[in-house]
Amino acid sequence: ETGVTQTPRHLVMGMTNKKSLKCEQHLGHNAMYWYKQSAKKPLELMFVYSLEERVENNSVPSRFSPECPNSSHLFLHLHTLQPEDSALYLCASSQDEFRIAGGLGEQFFGPGTRLTVL
Amino acid sequence: GENVEQHPSTLSVQEGDSAVIKCTYSDSASNYFPWYKQELGKRPQLIIDIRSNVGEKKDQRIAVTLNKTAKHFSLHITETQPEDSAVYFCAASIKGGGNNDMRFGAGTRLTVKP
Repeated sequence: ETGVTQTPRHLVMGMTNKKSLKCEQHLGHNAMYWYKQSAKKPLELMFVYSLEERVENNSVPSRFSPECPNSSHLFLHLHTLQPEDSALYLCASSQDEFRIAGGLGEQFFGPGTRLTVL
Repeated sequence: GENVEQHPSTLSVQEGDSAVIKCTYSDSASNYFPWYKQELGKRPQLIIDIRSNVGEKKDQRIAVTLNKTAKHFSLHITETQPEDSAVYFCAASIKGGGNNDMRFGAGTRLTVKP
């Protein structure tokens, strides 16, 4: 499989559940990202990883916990979510290690996980 | 922090007409301005981008202009086709220095009527 893949594509969970979203990139990129896309709101950048090191956490609640075990894989662990966390969660990757390149480059997005919290 | 405003939120044009979408940003340190297209049920994909050292960039029917003084940039689509119908997002990226971020506009839903 090529590009950026995400599993599962759809997820329904209760507020007391624990689940994980998975992202895999097959592009040889050095940076990976988690975004949240809610209806009628701008895409929100949640976490930034560069060479497996977290370099940004944009004031995301602790009920979202990212993990990047290697440069090809990124996880988002979810626990005790709220209904307002229901959204499309997009993973993305970019080529450069941006601390060298300067700034984020072209984002290659995965298909997203549609999350519904009951 | 950076704030990106995008207008209009919806735009309907007749096939063959031009479409223009405008964005403004607040942080003069922003130096990279991409535009993404997201078709219904699909992932966002980059269609064109511009860096702050360039005022205009063109790729076939798509062009982007940047006015650094006024802190706004625009997407221009000429000779629109029904397959251009999608949601378009602008974004502004703030260069490194410990602040690595990309802020998106709220999106413009473009409908091209045949």
